[in-house]
Amino acid sequence: DTGVSQDPRHKITKRGQNVTFRCDPISEHNRLYWYRQTLGQGPEFLTYFQNEAQLEKSRLLSDRFSAERPKGSFSTLEIQRTEQGDSAMYLCASSSRKTSGANVLTFGAGSRLTVL
Amino acid sequence: ILNVEQSPQSLHVQEGDSTNFTCSFPSSNFYALHWYRWETAKSPEALFVMTLNGDEKKKGRISATLNTKEGYSYLYIKGSQPEDSATYLCACPPSGGGADGLTFGKGTHLIIQP
Repeated sequence: DTGVSQDPRHKITKRGQNVTFRCDPISEHNRLYWYRQTLGQGPEFLTYFQNEAQLEKSRLLSDRFSAERPKGSFSTLEIQRTEQGDSAMYLCASSSRKTSGANVLTFGAGSRLTVL
Repeated sequence: ILNVEQSPQSLHVQEGDSTNFTCSFPSSNFYALHWYRWETAKSPEALFVMTLNGDEKKKGRISATLNTKEGYSYLYIKGSQPEDSATYLCACPPSGGGADGLTFGKGTHLIIQP
């Protein structure tokens, strides 16, 4: 297993376009998280999945954002009608089957979005 | 919403010197404290997860302590090396634990000067 993979690593788009990011977690991890990191801030939680079920969404996740994990494996994060404020690093992480908040997260290298 | 704070925001340290920085968090309903290191162009990497008051963990030249009663953790780096240059993030899960998203601090950006 090569860890958590994210694609694309960089995306430049024009305002108003739609973008989609993909995350492939560690295969035996059943929890998958999306975070967003902007300049000068720490990663901010967006949403997470346990298997294919989306169990929590942050209020940061506006109606233009949608995340899926259809078969409990890879996940996609789509942003519709992008705005300049969406420019950020989008990080994906996965963790094991334990339910504790002490679970270590394994992160991908992130997908950097620039909206012009 | 948890309030996780880190200081200083950035730090320049001479190679060979030791350094430390702080993470503060709410002491009520504490469950766990995570430390991650994030090098430029790489994935954030877990350093420690700490749960017990008074706990101390060590990984090579890096160590961390935890005080859950007063709500702070220190990260220490002994004999800094250029490869220690990174952003160090601390994070807490929601009060009482659970698998919901971690709340991260803004990080301490550490630069080791040769």
